[in-house]
Amino acid sequence: EVQLVESGGGLVQPGGSLRLSCAASGFSFSTNWMHWVRQAPGKGLVWVARIKKDGSITTYADSVKGRFTISRDNAKNMVYLQMNGLRAEDTAVYYCARDIDLSGWGPGTLVTVSS
Amino acid sequence: QSALTQPASVSGSPGQSITISCTGSRSDIGSSNLVSWYQQHPGKAPKLIIFEATRRASGVDSRFSGSKSGNTASLTISGLQVEDEAVYYCCSYAGSSVVFGGGTELTVL
Repeated sequence: EVQLVESGGGLVQPGGSLRLSCAASGFSFSTNWMHWVRQAPGKGLVWVARIKKDGSITTYADSVKGRFTISRDNAKNMVYLQMNGLRAEDTAVYYCARDIDLSGWGPGTLVTVSS
Repeated sequence: QSALTQPASVSGSPGQSITISCTGSRSDIGSSNLVSWYQQHPGKAPKLIIFEATRRASGVDSRFSGSKSGNTASLTISGLQVEDEAVYYCCSYAGSSVVFGGGTELTVL
């Protein structure tokens, strides 16, 4: 069974940093692109970033480019999102999702940016 | 990276059919078949229902179908059931990035 479990969310002050993790199991992790998608409270889904199977290609939404970094460790079946320079508008539930079609999602982890 | 355009809400009665449209541009929907649809119930993670514009994800009821023409994709749900009440999102690749629609809230009256 495909499982994705996000962790690392919490309350952080504006300008602060946070590192999200996503633990994957139940599928061949190293053969899947991985994504981060976020959802602000009461709002829609917004794609954040993706990373190629071997980590050689990363792509970001304009709103996070230069502040967020996606990475992965295929030996540990983990994908990460390093978030720096956090802003109030980054407050959201952050989901990791697998594959080209975002076919599997974790339950999400809540990030709150507030003073 | 402009969001795809979906109607904010649609409604239907049990047993009826509804269609949700998703309008993009030549840069996203119009440029590939990598269009997908997701269903999200309140407080839950999204669930893939349609991928590559027309293909049903594993385990998804055959009442769900997808289509695409030009810059517009559509999701049709036939034989509406109460449990179909949810928010539906379309999604497309736009070059190297990914863009979602704003979501459509389906109410089954």
